Amino acid sequence: QVQLQESGPGLVKPSQTLSLTCTVSGGSISSGSYYWSWIRQPAGKGLEWIGRIYTSGSTNYNPSLKSRVTISVDTSKNQFSLKLSSVTAADTAVYYCARDRRRLFDYWGQGTLVTVSS
Amino acid sequence: DIQMTQSPSTLSASVGDRVTITCRASQSISSWLAWYQQKPGKAPKLLIYKASSLESGVPSRFSGSGSGTEFTLTISSLQPDDFATYYCQQYNSYVTFGPGTKVDIK
Repeated sequence: QVQLQESGPGLVKPSQTLSLTCTVSGGSISSGSYYWSWIRQPAGKGLEWIGRIYTSGSTNYNPSLKSRVTISVDTSKNQFSLKLSSVTAADTAVYYCARDRRRLFDYWGQGTLVTVSS
Repeated sequence: DIQMTQSPSTLSASVGDRVTITCRASQSISSWLAWYQQKPGKAPKLLIYKASSLESGVPSRFSGSGSGTEFTLTISSLQPDDFATYYCQQYNSYVTFGPGTKVDIK
């Protein structure tokens, strides 16, 4: 059973860079034809796809966030990571990592709340 | 980019009711539509993909239909575990989600 777990700071200052890591367990991140995605959800609001990565390093990003997002993968650690630069209060959200089965999200982490505040 | 809308935004229903939620896309997405269920404080759960295919392990009371720009999620007989928020998601071009429909107790 694949499990995902997000980790990283829960508080980030405005204009700084948000950094999160997702650790995958219960299987190799490199096995199967899966991408690995980040999705966020502001409190009381809907879901926003941020971007995804394949284990080859190939990435796709939401055009609305593309200029600020970097997603990377470390197959030796079975992890993938998110960096979001120049954050503002509008980036405050629960951030989820998920297994991306051809743009379907079938396994999710529990989510981690990131608050942008000084 | 493709915009998704859902109606209603909130739906009050009783156990045993037949429930239908509508999702519309701003342009044709063929059948590249999925439905998710989310409970408070939890991650979403994939229910339906390709408009009408049931994800493994999902009860058969859930069904989906539609193509092009209009889609529906139907719960044939609402169960206590089904009170949640439901999101549609298009994956024809990048990924966008609908705003959600909350199903609560009447």
